[in-house]
Amino acid sequence: EPEVTQTPSHQVTQMGQEVILRCVPISNHLYFYWYRQILGQKVEFLVSFYNNEISEKSEIFDDQFSVERPDGSNFTLKIRSTKLEDSAMYFCASRGMVPPEQYFGPGTRLTVT
Amino acid sequence: RKEVEQDPGPFNVPEGATVAFNCTYSNSASQSFFWYRQDCRKEPKLLMSVYSSGNEDGRFTAQLNRASQYISLLIRDSKLSDSATYLCVVSTGFQKLVFGTGTRLLVSP
Repeated sequence: EPEVTQTPSHQVTQMGQEVILRCVPISNHLYFYWYRQILGQKVEFLVSFYNNEISEKSEIFDDQFSVERPDGSNFTLKIRSTKLEDSAMYFCASRGMVPPEQYFGPGTRLTVT
Repeated sequence: RKEVEQDPGPFNVPEGATVAFNCTYSNSASQSFFWYRQDCRKEPKLLMSVYSSGNEDGRFTAQLNRASQYISLLIRDSKLSDSATYLCVVSTGFQKLVFGTGTRLLVSP
């Protein structure tokens, strides 16, 4: 069964550093998403991406964040100048044209020290 | 008012019990509705989509009441493996999913 994959599974970084989280969506999917979940809190939407551009972003997704689809398979989230409060699980998700179900990757746990 | 509201639980039930989860949503423009389950420190996994006509998948039954903006999930004959957090999720279109905080279920022998 096709699945979304994410690397790394755990990333530890120092405050102020840049990190890139990587995702490989399901191969025939067209819509890509990033969500985050701070420990003990609900899953929150960050950004959606379709046809090589951002289609929607949340208030959380400020200038510190960027997304890219550098090739036909990878989808990345870059966080510049990380802050302590960026520590969270970051989930990538993807979906096809129809139906609307989104499928999530296993997540990257980001720890900012 | 929260966009998606759920009772946080936990619900403690014995094996074999029937358990019901309820959820309300505030955005009347919501178009798609889902239940996901999440195990501790894992990704949300799609359990089922929810349709106005109601739908059933084995021991799981989901119902949607658009007029009341209310979604439910019923689990019959609960198993130890059903222990998880159940997430009510809505979407206004093809884009972002809006998650509830989840209801934790603990099934005991």
